[in-house]
Order: sequence, then structure tokens, then C-alpha cells
Amino acid sequence: SAVISQKPSRDICQRGTSLTIQCQVDSQVTMMFWYRQQPGQSLTLIATANQGSEATYESGFVIDKFPISRPNLTFSTLTVSNMSPEDSSIYLCSVGQNTGELFFGEGSRLTVL
Amino acid sequence: RKEVEQDPGPFNVPEGATVAFNCTYSNSASQSFFWYRQDCRKEPKLLMSVYSSGNEDGRFTAQLNRASQYISLLIRDSKLSDSATYLCVVPSGGSYIPTFGRGTSLIVHP
Repeated sequence: SAVISQKPSRDICQRGTSLTIQCQVDSQVTMMFWYRQQPGQSLTLIATANQGSEATYESGFVIDKFPISRPNLTFSTLTVSNMSPEDSSIYLCSVGQNTGELFFGEGSRLTVL
Repeated sequence: RKEVEQDPGPFNVPEGATVAFNCTYSNSASQSFFWYRQDCRKEPKLLMSVYSSGNEDGRFTAQLNRASQYISLLIRDSKLSDSATYLCVVPSGGSYIPTFGRGTSLIVHP
């Protein structure tokens, strides 16, 4: 299994600002994903973070709103840009094993006022 | 039909009861399936993997029915600590992109 460190663990932000979430993994991983979990909902995949190239975004998510960086195989960032209260959510970094199993960071709980 | 569907519950059962959840999926090409457990305000954690007909781990049994395209999770002798949300995960599309069901909430009471 992989150990995933995510920060910040929580933040309260003003609308219109941006927040960058960092995800650090203790080993090199090929597959890294960013999920969002809104209150009372299941996990929704935002994008797959690709090392050295642009992330692959799911329907409904765009790079201008959620820019993602992945400079190497152990680190990625997700930025939530120009935030609104609708962006209040838990954002989760996840890494995938070849077996298909996923491991998650502890999540970043974002509240936008 | 949604890619992964679960009954959200909640399932409210007494300690010691046996409870089962189902998860239906639409991608008939899926080969691997997973059950995750998510406690309140925590990240999901892998509970069981299902690659063939089924898997058993102590009080937990996961079964796969390919013909009807569903997987089930059976919990025997429920404990208070089993109270959580159980998420079904199935790969979708041509490549492995994990898709989560909305989760089934279980409440075990004394």
C-alpha cells in the first residue's frame, strides 16, 4: 500500500480566491487521481493526473477551474480557482495500484464563504 | 442506467444481524470490483476486492454475479463498529477509471 499525505487538511476561503491542495506519495506511482466528495454524496472523479503532461479531465470539469500539476511520480497538486460556495467539498487525492485498488489521502475539507 | 448503482439505505440492523448490500454495474467488460468502507468524515478504505466469483474475509463475504451484473457484500454477526458507508467501485470505460457508487449507509445498533 502507499502512504499519501495531503495538505491542507482543511481550509476556509473567501469566494473569488484560489486554493492549491498538495498530494505527496511515499513511493512512485503511475496512476494518480483527484476526486471530489460533496456533502452526503459519493466520490466524483475530477481528473487523472498524468506525469509530465496535461491532466485528463472528466465531463463537467475543466482545466481553467481545476488546474492540476504532476511534476513527478510522487507529487501532484490540485488548484480550485475562483472559488464559490458551490466548491465547498472534500477533495481527495488517490493513487491506483496495478491490481485496481485505490488508496486515498485523508482529504482536504474546503469551505467557501 | 447509471454505471454503478447502490441502494443508499440506511440499513438499520441490531448487533449480531446478518445484512447484505447489492451493487449493480453497467460495464459488462469489468473484470475487477471493490468494496470500500468510509467512516464519517474520513477517507474511503479498501475493504475487499472481487476478481472472480467471490471473496471471503472473516465476517465479510463479497460475491459476483456476472450474468446479472451485480456484486454483493454480506456482513455476518454485525458489530457496532461496522456502522459506516460501504462504497462499491467498478472500473468504467475502456481503461481503468474507478467509478464509485453513491454508497450504502449501515447503522448497527445495540
